[in-house]
Amino acid sequence: DAKTTQPTSMDCAEGRAANLPCNHSTISGNEYVYWYRQIHSQGPQYIIHGLKNNETNEMASLIITEDRKSSTLILPHATLRDTAVYYCTYAGNNRKLIWGLGTSLAVNP
Amino acid sequence: ETGVTQSPTHLIKTRGQQVTLRCSSQSGHNTVSWYQQALGQGPQFIFQYYREEKNGRGNFPPRFSGLQFPNYSSELNVNALELDDSALYLCASSRGPKWETQYFGPGTRLLVL
Repeated sequence: DAKTTQPTSMDCAEGRAANLPCNHSTISGNEYVYWYRQIHSQGPQYIIHGLKNNETNEMASLIITEDRKSSTLILPHATLRDTAVYYCTYAGNNRKLIWGLGTSLAVNP
Repeated sequence: ETGVTQSPTHLIKTRGQQVTLRCSSQSGHNTVSWYQQALGQGPQFIFQYYREEKNGRGNFPPRFSGLQFPNYSSELNVNALELDDSALYLCASSRGPKWETQYFGPGTRLLVL
């Protein structure tokens, strides 16, 4: 079944780039990688998704390796409000998103 | 704000009781997915409804049931509550069952005593 591996926690200084890695070595060729974040006790928030090419939107950039076994979410100028748990995910066998434990990102002043 | 609302925000029940949680989907969305999130864990998929039909179910016992209404709002019902059912229950709406871009509500925090 779908499985992702992410660091348990990371720190980042305010104003610096936050680079959050994710390993998804069991992803198949036509499945998108999705990134969400969850600020304490709120519902998860969609950030970005991608298939093969790198993607950028107003929130973040997504870099996917050529073999698609891993990806990195980049928050270019982290702010204190970016402190959250970040999840990378993709659809499992039943085409439903499988969520791991995520990375707890702390942005420090 | 995603436009997805859930009620109630908090709920306290005792073991053996039944609970109904409600979710209103975002305008233009016909699919609702329900998740259970225990403390310190990622969301676990319970089931999904698409155009009033169930479209997939996770590893949850039959006492977890639901339905979707013609306006695409949805209910999650849990019977015979157990202590381990204490969690944040999240609903997410999307444009369709294959759209994995989901928009989540704020959740309902359920405590079972």
